[in-house]
Amino acid sequence: GQNIDQPTEMTATEGAIVQINCTYQTSGFNGLFWYQQHAGEAPTFLSYNVLDGLEEKGRFSSFLSRSKGYSYLLLKELQMKDSASYLCAVRDNAGNMLTFGGGTRLMVKP
Amino acid sequence: GAVVSQHPSWVICKSGTSVKIECRSLDFQATTMFWYRQFPKQSLMLMATSNEGSKATYEQGVEKDKFLINHASLTLSTLTVTSAHPEDSSFYICSARGGRYEKLFFGSGTQLSVL
Repeated sequence: GQNIDQPTEMTATEGAIVQINCTYQTSGFNGLFWYQQHAGEAPTFLSYNVLDGLEEKGRFSSFLSRSKGYSYLLLKELQMKDSASYLCAVRDNAGNMLTFGGGTRLMVKP
Repeated sequence: GAVVSQHPSWVICKSGTSVKIECRSLDFQATTMFWYRQFPKQSLMLMATSNEGSKATYEQGVEKDKFLINHASLTLSTLTVTSAHPEDSSFYICSARGGRYEKLFFGSGTQLSVL
């Protein structure tokens, strides 16, 4: 099975940097995804990591350590529109299933 | 990029009626689609995996007779909530795998309110 943990809520200031952590214990691993979800909307894809290291994409970066079962999503130069839930999801070995963490609700304040 | 269309976006119905939600992959073929349910301020919970041309695979605790899934073609899966009750009120989202990394593309979701 899969067990994925991430903080429930975080608050940060506009213009700042925030790191959202995700830890997982899984019976298999074939990639980790981060999604952003605004209230009442469907999730949108942010990043994908399957090898260890940092993937950078504009203001967003994602890091993975497979040996530690750990990932983080780093958001720089925070904007008010970044207020959303951020979902960490792990894909199993067969590549068929995505298991989502509980999501982290990020609130960006002026 | 790949697009998944979900319809309707929202629906209000009376208790005891049935509601059908459609999920279409617009520019790619999806042999597998997934149906999720989401309660307010909670994460996505997988309900079932929809396989084209075969029976859906339901997650534990999901009533297959209540949530009917049909995946008749490579671009269309439907979820029918039968005899809906107020506790079925929720946000339902479909998704399909495709594109780079075989990531999930999500439909826009359907907000179901059962009165």
